[in-house]
Amino acid sequence: SQKIEQNSEALNIQEGKTATLTCNYTNYSPAYLQWYRQDPGRGPVFLLLIRENEKEKRKERLKVTFDTTLKQSLFHITASQPADSATYLCALRSPYNAGNMLTFGGGTRLMVKP
Amino acid sequence: EAGVTQFPSHSVIEKGQTVTLRCDPISGHDNLYWYRRVMGKEIKFLLHFVKESKQDESGMPNNRFLAERTGGTYSTLKVQPAELEDSGVYFCASRLSRDRVGGYTFGSGTRLTVV
Repeated sequence: SQKIEQNSEALNIQEGKTATLTCNYTNYSPAYLQWYRQDPGRGPVFLLLIRENEKEKRKERLKVTFDTTLKQSLFHITASQPADSATYLCALRSPYNAGNMLTFGGGTRLMVKP
Repeated sequence: EAGVTQFPSHSVIEKGQTVTLRCDPISGHDNLYWYRRVMGKEIKFLLHFVKESKQDESGMPNNRFLAERTGGTYSTLKVQPAELEDSGVYFCASRLSRDRVGGYTFGSGTRLTVV
């Protein structure tokens, strides 16, 4: 079965720097990969989706890359702000599942210090 | 538009009791999913409805869990009888089938504690 690995240790960075979070998967290439943000006591909030035939996607200060050879996605937040502090989840949709079920990683907690 | 609504937000019940969680998806969303996060683990899929039909219930832990979506609108997830290991946060999410570029919209979850 698919396993998704995200760095379980918190990532601490200074305001204004670029945060880079990693998502590695171990099995088949997903149909697409999504990144979510989760704040304490809230549900995940969708940020970006990237398909298996796409290398990069951008949205404002966010950028996602997808390397099917390395089986890895990188999630970048440029010019980070303290308000970006949250847990970021990577989720993959299998190409073999018609129902669009997602498999989640454990998430990485980002702390942006002023 | 209103988001996905779940209630209760918290529930504390004793082992052996019954609990029913409710999810109101975004109006018009035909896909409804239930996920669960137990302490220290990642969010895991439980089941998927398309309108009122169960599309995939491969993630349901056992037959103590029963989900329904009568009329294809809101959904309920009943746990009967509850066990200690059922504790966790239960999330509901909805999605429109024809949306090819968006993600799922999640509710804030129901935190279930079985004591």
